[in-house]
Amino acid sequence: NAGVMQNPRHLVRRRGQEARLRCSPMKGHSHVYWYRQLPEEGLKFMVYLQKENIIDESGMPKERFSAEFPKEGPSILRIQQVVRGDSAAYFCASSPRQGARDTEAFFGQGTRLTVV
Amino acid sequence: QQQVKQSPQSLIVQKGGISIINCAYENTAFDYFPWYQQFPGKGPALLIAIRPDVSEKKEGRFTISFNKSAKQFSLHIMDSQPGDSATYFCAASHYSGTYKYIFGTGTRLKVLA
Repeated sequence: NAGVMQNPRHLVRRRGQEARLRCSPMKGHSHVYWYRQLPEEGLKFMVYLQKENIIDESGMPKERFSAEFPKEGPSILRIQQVVRGDSAAYFCASSPRQGARDTEAFFGQGTRLTVV
Repeated sequence: QQQVKQSPQSLIVQKGGISIINCAYENTAFDYFPWYQQFPGKGPALLIAIRPDVSEKKEGRFTISFNKSAKQFSLHIMDSQPGDSATYFCAASHYSGTYKYIFGTGTRLKVLA
C-alpha cells in the first residue's frame, strides 16, 4: 500500500508564476490536510478537505492560495503569483476518516517550493 | 492560546544517553498530544501520542510524560542511538474530529556515536 504521494518533490518558480502542488492520499483515505513548513519552523495547518469539499481553510492565506480535492484525482494546492515568502516545504497528510481515537494521519514527503 | 512551545531548539546526546524534549501548551481544550519524528528530506512520521487521561505512555525506548496541571508534556528517548538523530515535533489538537494540529517549532536531535 503506497503511502501519501506528493509531487513534485522540488519545484522552482519565478516570482509571479503559479505553483501547483499535488497530493495523492493513501488508498482508502478520503480526508486530506495541507501544512506549510517554513525554514527552521514547525508545520502550520493550512486547509482540510474531503472529496469535493473544503472543510476548514482557516490557515490559508486570504489571497493567491487555493485548494481542491476533486472526486477523481489528487488534491491540488495552488499558489498564484508566487512571492519569495512562499518558499517553504508543503506537506500533505491523509486519513481514512475524520479524526478518531484510534487512527492517525499519515504525511507525505513534501514538496519543497523555491521562489526565485 | 493556540501556541505549543517546544524546547530545546537543538540537543546533542551521547550514544546510550537519555534525550529529553519538552513542550508546553496553553489551551486547556487540547486533548491529544502526538510526537512526530522527521528525517531530512522526509515527511513527519508519528512516533507516539498521549491523551490527558494518562500521565505516562511508553513504547519501546520512547516515553511521553504528561503533566495536565502544568500543561506540559515531554518526550524521553532512552538509550539514544545515532539512528534517532532527527528533528522531533510535539503537537496538540482539540478532538474535533480532525487532524488539525498545532505543532511546536521542533527540536533537532543529534546522537553522537
